[in-house]
Amino acid sequence: EAQVTQNPRYLITVTGKKLTVTCSQNMNHEYMSWYRQDPGLGLRQIYYSMNVEVTDKGDVPEGYKVSRKEKRNFPLILESPSPNQTSLYFCASSSSTYSYEQYFGPGTRLTVT
Amino acid sequence: AQSVAQPEDQVNVAEGNPLTVKCTYSVSGNPYLFWYVQYPNRGLQFLLKYITGDNLVKGSYGFEAEFNKSQTSFHLKKPSALVSDSALYFCAVRDANYGGATNKLIFGTGTLLAVQP
Repeated sequence: EAQVTQNPRYLITVTGKKLTVTCSQNMNHEYMSWYRQDPGLGLRQIYYSMNVEVTDKGDVPEGYKVSRKEKRNFPLILESPSPNQTSLYFCASSSSTYSYEQYFGPGTRLTVT
Repeated sequence: AQSVAQPEDQVNVAEGNPLTVKCTYSVSGNPYLFWYVQYPNRGLQFLLKYITGDNLVKGSYGFEAEFNKSQTSFHLKKPSALVSDSALYFCAVRDANYGGATNKLIFGTGTLLAVQP
């Protein structure tokens, strides 16, 4: 089954404790991105990747890092999480940068206390 | 600046009645418009898109959307609502900066559709 998977689905952590949210797709997609969803703000892009080893900032990259060492994986790294990073995070992928349909993962709900 | 507005936080409709979820946009150039649906505890699912051509676009689950260039709107519609349509609906436009090369979607704030039996 074609899908985007994220782990963990739920995470509660404390300020400053480094964490990684994994994202993996099995569709051989070139393009991947991360969004965060906050009430009243919709989804905002954090980082995106056009292909392996090619990443760039989205609208809200502060406090986040990403890497794209393999085509299928695009982990989101929070080096020192803060409470304002409490949010619902979605990973998305598409077959190419110019592909119109994007596939979203199930989401990761992160709480930073 | 490019943006998408969904003026209603929530839309209530009785099962069997037609539904409309509103969306207006502001972009430079030709808009590439999308509707996504989010069911509880699930990721976003693609419903339909408008790129060019016919102003009435048909999508999944019986939904359709009407592109209106003069009103800069892209309202989502369904002739007969089902209780199972209850979900959070997002309108989005593709960011036209850099020729669309970032493939970034600019989302509205979402509209919660509640269909009563």
